[in-house]
This record gives sequence, structure tokens and C-alpha cells, in this order.
Amino acid sequence: EAQVTQNPRYLITVTGKKLTVTCSQNMNHEYMSWYRQDPGLGLRQIYYSMNVEVTDKGDVPEGYKVSRKEKRNFPLILESPSPNQTSLYFCASSNWWADNEQFFGPGTRLTVL
Amino acid sequence: SQQGEEDPQALSIQEGENATMNCSYKTSINNLQWYRQNSGRGLVHLILIRSNEREKHSGRLRVTLDTSKKSSSLLITASRAADTASYFCARIQGAQKLVFGQGTRLTINP
Repeated sequence: EAQVTQNPRYLITVTGKKLTVTCSQNMNHEYMSWYRQDPGLGLRQIYYSMNVEVTDKGDVPEGYKVSRKEKRNFPLILESPSPNQTSLYFCASSNWWADNEQFFGPGTRLTVL
Repeated sequence: SQQGEEDPQALSIQEGENATMNCSYKTSINNLQWYRQNSGRGLVHLILIRSNEREKHSGRLRVTLDTSKKSSSLLITASRAADTASYFCARIQGAQKLVFGQGTRLTINP
């Protein structure tokens, strides 16, 4: 089954404790991206990647890192999480370009205390 | 804001009625996409309309695009309870940055 998976689905952590949210897709997609969703603000793109070793900033990259060492994986790293990073996070992928149909993961609900 | 503007922010209608939601944007586009999100879940792609298209249909969904007004609308006909969800438009900004509108929260009342 074609899908985007994210782990963990739920995470409660404390300020400053490094964490990684994994994202993996099995559709051989080139384009992958991360979004955060906050009430009243819609979805905002954090980082995107056009292909292996090619990443670029979205609208809200501060406090986040990403890497794209393999085509299928695009982890989101919070080196020193803060409470303002409490949010619902989504990973998505698409064939080649951002303006193709995006396939979304199920989401990761992160709480930073 | 770099995001698109969607209106209304919330819409509540009776089952069987039609629902229309709108999306406006500021810069030129190659295409515009519409997505649905059920509460707290991942977004699901509904329709992609290209800049040279004026209207597109998919089942009970009809999307229109007016590039001169930089706006698009999504019409859901004969609404059902299962249509209760948030609906978002999305388009490219810059190189390959994808931006979403803030969404319309649609509630279908039985």
C-alpha cells in the first residue's frame, strides 16, 4: 500500500530535550516536506526537499533541522525543543514537484512542556 | 500573509444543501490544489486545477479558477454528513515552496 508513515504519532517531551520525528514514504517520490499545523494559522511549511541531499527552508524553519540522506526518509529534528513548537506536524511527499498531488502522513502531535 | 485567504473560515449547512468555499491568492500560479482534512488527520488531495483550466469536476465536487481575479472556489453538491471536514487550497510560491490557505471548516448538520 502506498503510504507516508510518521513516528511517533504522539510525543510529550520537555524543553531542551532533542527529538527526531521520522517520515518515510514507499512511493519513490522525489519531493518531501514538513508542515506544522496550529489553530487559526493553517498549515505552514517548515522545510522541503527536492531530492536526496537537496533541502530548502519553508516559511517557518527556525528551531528545526532536516536531512535527506535516502530518498524514502525525511526526518525532522528538533535540537532544543521549546513550548512554542508544540503543534501537530505533518510530513508529505509527491512525485517530482511541489505542485503535484501531495500524499500526507497521519500526523505527529507534539507537546513540549 | 504569504498564505492564501479562504472564506468563509467556517460554514455550517444542512445535509443535502450545497457548500461553496473560496480561495484567493496573490501571485500567479501554474496550478491550484484543494485538500480535505478530517479532524486532526492527514490531508487528502481532492482536485488539482491548472491555470489554463476554468472548471474541473470530480464526483460531487466542482472547482472553478479565475486567474484574472486570482481566486478559486470549491463547490460540494448534495452535501453529506461525511463531508464534515476542513478544506484547504494550496499553491506554489517561489521555487518549490507549497503554501496552504487557512482553511474552511465545514459542518454538515443532519
